[in-house]
Amino acid sequence: AQSVTQPDIHITVSEGASLELRCNYSYGATPYLFWYVQSPGQGLQLLLKYFSGDTLVQGIKGFEAEFKRSQSSFNLRKPSVHWSDAAEYFCAFGTDSWGKLQFGAGTQVVVTP
Amino acid sequence: DAMVIQNPRYQVTQFGKPVTLSCSQTLNHNVMYWYQQKSSQAPKLLFHYYDKDFNNEADTPDNFQSRRPNTSFCFLDIRSPGLGDAAMYLCATGRANEKLFFGSGTQLSVL
Repeated sequence: AQSVTQPDIHITVSEGASLELRCNYSYGATPYLFWYVQSPGQGLQLLLKYFSGDTLVQGIKGFEAEFKRSQSSFNLRKPSVHWSDAAEYFCAFGTDSWGKLQFGAGTQVVVTP
Repeated sequence: DAMVIQNPRYQVTQFGKPVTLSCSQTLNHNVMYWYQQKSSQAPKLLFHYYDKDFNNEADTPDNFQSRRPNTSFCFLDIRSPGLGDAAMYLCATGRANEKLFFGSGTQLSVL
């Protein structure tokens, strides 16, 4: 069965510290992978996506993600978080490029001073 | 400028009273999606249109219907809302090999 898992429900990080959010998928081929961010009461904003090619993907707001086929992972990273990065982050998985997505349960990121 | 617009931003309805949520786009995308996101949960796809071709997810309740009169507009109709239908409803548009654009969502409350 196809699935996407975000093991961490909640992460607290100090401002200026690095951040890594985990995402694992289960699929027999290379999926289309996405990271979205959602602020409270808002829609979803795409941070970055992986379709093929270079496994290290750069996104907006200083985020990057690395696709690792051997580990079925697509972890999101940021070297130095800002208070404005506090939000819910969703990893999403698709089997085509149309955007029919299956979302992980999300990781809530709290940034402390 | 907003490219995917959802109205209203907040909608309150009564138990069992039909309600319609709307979504419009200025991107001329041929694919439009409706997602349901309950509190503290991931968005879940309800259905999508590829042009006028309607595609329902297998587990979408019959209570949810959709209309797409033209490329720009798509509506979500909930025929008899229950308390369990209270959620954020997200509209998104897209084209193959391009990113999805999400609207800001409509927060539906059922009293």
